[in-house]
Amino acid sequence: AQSVAQPEDQVNVAEGNPLTVKCTYSVSGNPYLFWYVQYPNRGLQFLLKYITGDNLVKGSYGFEAEFNKSQTSFHLKKPSALVSDSALYFCAVSQVQGGKLIFGQGTELSVKP
Amino acid sequence: DAGVTQSPTHLIKTRGQQVTLRCSPKSGHDTVSWYQQALGQGPQFIFQYYEEEERQRGNFPDRFSGHQFPNYSSELNVNALLLGDSALYLCASSWGGGDSNQPQHFGDGTRLSIL
Repeated sequence: AQSVAQPEDQVNVAEGNPLTVKCTYSVSGNPYLFWYVQYPNRGLQFLLKYITGDNLVKGSYGFEAEFNKSQTSFHLKKPSALVSDSALYFCAVSQVQGGKLIFGQGTELSVKP
Repeated sequence: DAGVTQSPTHLIKTRGQQVTLRCSPKSGHDTVSWYQQALGQGPQFIFQYYEEEERQRGNFPDRFSGHQFPNYSSELNVNALLLGDSALYLCASSWGGGDSNQPQHFGDGTRLSIL
């Protein structure tokens, strides 16, 4: 069965510091991996995806993610955090590019000035 | 370019009632998926519609049903509402019925509260 784990409920970072939000997955076959961000009372906004190819994926708002097949991980990163990055982040996996998404529980990112 | 739109924004119902939620996909998209997001949880897949047919379904009871119209818009119907159905219901659209390289785009959801 497919599953996604986000081991940290909350990540706290000072503005200007690098940030990492962790994600590990379990899926048979080749995974399609996604990161979404959710602001209060809003839907999910797409940040980036890994389908195939380069293990380092660049996305919106300066975010990037590194796919590691041996560790079945897809951690979200940003070199310099902004206060406006504070939000709820979800990692998701699919076995089909446009098929159903299996989401993690989410990680609350808090960036303090 | 309009994104995914959902209506209503908020809805309050009582146990046993029925509810219909609506979704218009992003322009150019023909596939609609529905998700349920309980408070403090990640979204859970309910089902996906393409070419007016249900293509995939998650682990939700038959009380949850849907429909897709020729203009690609979709409805989610929930019968015999339970307190546990209280959640944010998210609609996501994409192109190509699951075969596209493009990600799903989400609406802002309908907040359903069951009293």
